[in-house]
Amino acid sequence: EAQVTQNPRYLITVTGKKLTVTCSQNMNHEYMSWYRQDPGLGLRQIYYSMNVEVTDKGDVPEGYKVSRKEKRNFPLILESPSPNQTSLYFCASSFGQGSTQYFGPGTRLTVL
Amino acid sequence: TQLLEQSPQFLSIQEGENLTVYCNSSSVFSSLQWYRQEPGEGPVLLVTVVTGGEVKKLKRLTFQFGDARKDSSLHITAAQPGDTGLYLCAGAHSNYQLIWGAGTKLIIKP
Repeated sequence: EAQVTQNPRYLITVTGKKLTVTCSQNMNHEYMSWYRQDPGLGLRQIYYSMNVEVTDKGDVPEGYKVSRKEKRNFPLILESPSPNQTSLYFCASSFGQGSTQYFGPGTRLTVL
Repeated sequence: TQLLEQSPQFLSIQEGENLTVYCNSSSVFSSLQWYRQEPGEGPVLLVTVVTGGEVKKLKRLTFQFGDARKDSSLHITAAQPGDTGLYLCAGAHSNYQLIWGAGTKLIIKP
């Protein structure tokens, strides 16, 4: 089944404790991205990757890192999480930047 | 700043009523996508409109792209509880960047 998977689905952590949210897609998509979704603000892009080893900042990249060592995986790293990073995070993949986006199920992160 | 304004932000109506959701921008888009997101899930594409003036129908949902390709609407006829969700529009610029609307939270009461 074609899908985007994210782990974990739910995470409660404390300020400053490094964490990684994994994302994997099995559709051979070149383009992958991370979004955060907050009430009233819609989806805001954090980082995106056009291909392996190519990543770029989106609209809200501060406090986040990503890597794209393999085509299928695109982990999101929070080196020192802060409470303002409490949000719902989505990974998405597609054939291209403006193409249909296929989203993962989301990761709800709470930073205390 | 490129904006895609979506309205209304929230809509709660009775089953059987009709409704329209709007996405408006001052920018021209090469295409516009509509997604629906249900609680606990990621957004799922409903339709993509590409040509100015284009109308696409998906059962009781009618999508229209403005003639100037700056705006779009989603009309639902005889809404049902299963239509409940968050509706998102996303416009693609000629440089392929996607601009997202803030979403319309729709609740259909039985």
